[in-house]
Amino acid sequence: KAGVTQTPRYLIKTRGQQVTLSCSPISGHRSVSWYQQTPGQGLQFLFEYFSETQRNKGNFPGRFSGRQFSNSRSEMNVSTLELGDSALYLCASSFAGGASTDTQYFGPGTRLTVL
Amino acid sequence: GENVEQHPSTLSVQEGDSAVIKCTYSDSASNYFPWYKQELGKRPQLIIDIRSNVGEKKDQRIAVTLNKTAKHFSLHITETQPEDSAVYFCAAFPRGSGGSNYKLTFGKGTLLTVNP
Repeated sequence: KAGVTQTPRYLIKTRGQQVTLSCSPISGHRSVSWYQQTPGQGLQFLFEYFSETQRNKGNFPGRFSGRQFSNSRSEMNVSTLELGDSALYLCASSFAGGASTDTQYFGPGTRLTVL
Repeated sequence: GENVEQHPSTLSVQEGDSAVIKCTYSDSASNYFPWYKQELGKRPQLIIDIRSNVGEKKDQRIAVTLNKTAKHFSLHITETQPEDSAVYFCAAFPRGSGGSNYKLTFGKGTLLTVNP
């Protein structure tokens, strides 16, 4: 099976702009989670989608949003970019069918730089 | 919510030595504990995981132990090799019933350096 893919891999934006990142999960996986990784804060949970519904959200401002499509692909959007949004954004997919299928597999990430 | 503490933040060992990384968690509802290895510039990769109904799990040179009573779990790497050098993250996850608590909470990571 193909792994989790993310596009684009690298992005450079300026403050105030908005950005959309895409994640394609492993075939058959229904849950997609998004994480922000920075040197100072480590891996922080943004949100999780399952069957096109956001089930859980981390402690990030409303500028961070996402959605999931019927084929389980997910996008996240960051509006009004700030310098502090520079980070590696990782998505992870899992089957989410029960305790034995909760393993999350990560994509390669999108490196966002805000100037 | 869940809080995961990980120690040490950096660990340097000689090739062939053992390395131990420890994590504690706060939420007794957590029942799944994966460990991820992240090499520089790459994605986190699952290396081993353990569920709360098991006390220890081994896979070749790596092992994980879990103490539910004390709410801590540890990663053990034996006979370390230079290619083991990476950042290791522990994580905790609630019971796999989905819903609003369906998320991994990560420790801050341990930078392991194995010196040849």
